[in-house]
Amino acid sequence: AQTVTQSQPEMSVQEAETVTLSCTYDTSESNYYLFWYKQPPSRQMILVIRQEAYKQQNATENRFSVNFQKAAKSFSLKISDSQLGDTAMYFCAFSGTYKYIFGTGTRLKVLA
Amino acid sequence: KAGVTQTPRYLIKTRGQQVTLSCSPISGHRSVSWYQQTPGQGLQFLFEYFSETQRNKGNFPGRFSGRQFSNSRSEMNVSTLELGDSALYLCASSLGPGLAGGPYNEQFFGPGTRLTVL
Repeated sequence: AQTVTQSQPEMSVQEAETVTLSCTYDTSESNYYLFWYKQPPSRQMILVIRQEAYKQQNATENRFSVNFQKAAKSFSLKISDSQLGDTAMYFCAFSGTYKYIFGTGTRLKVLA
Repeated sequence: KAGVTQTPRYLIKTRGQQVTLSCSPISGHRSVSWYQQTPGQGLQFLFEYFSETQRNKGNFPGRFSGRQFSNSRSEMNVSTLELGDSALYLCASSLGPGLAGGPYNEQFFGPGTRLTVL
């Protein structure tokens, strides 16, 4: 069965610094997608970044980038130049055939 | 395009009652998933509908049920409410599988329905 593990329940980072959130997953499928979602306090969940497993190049969206290590089944999110608005719960998610699985989330607090 | 909408946004019920929550997906999306979010349990998958068929179901009791209509709108129902059902219920829509039979594309979430059971 597929699993998604986020081992850091809470993290904090100083404004303007860089932080990396970890995510590991387990699957026997070869074709899948991975996502990072952000849920700000009392606000809607939104997609941050997406990675297709067949792509070797790591996805990047402005200050957000991933380190996708397919063999190690690792999918970490790097946030550069952290801003106060990055304070949120971050969920890692796996999408396989008829399956969509979320990790337990990492609560990130950006400190002024 | 309008986003995912959920109604009502807030609901207060008492134990033993039943409740129906509604979700309207993004136009063109055929997959609708429901999640329960609580501070202690995180995001728990309830079920997923695709083209009116339930494709996946999480580990919730039979008091939790859902359905999807031909226009892709979905409802979930909780009967005989318990105090532990108090949670934020999130609906997410997706185009569904990408390439034939492949992984699901990204999900787009609604604002949620905050259910309080007294």
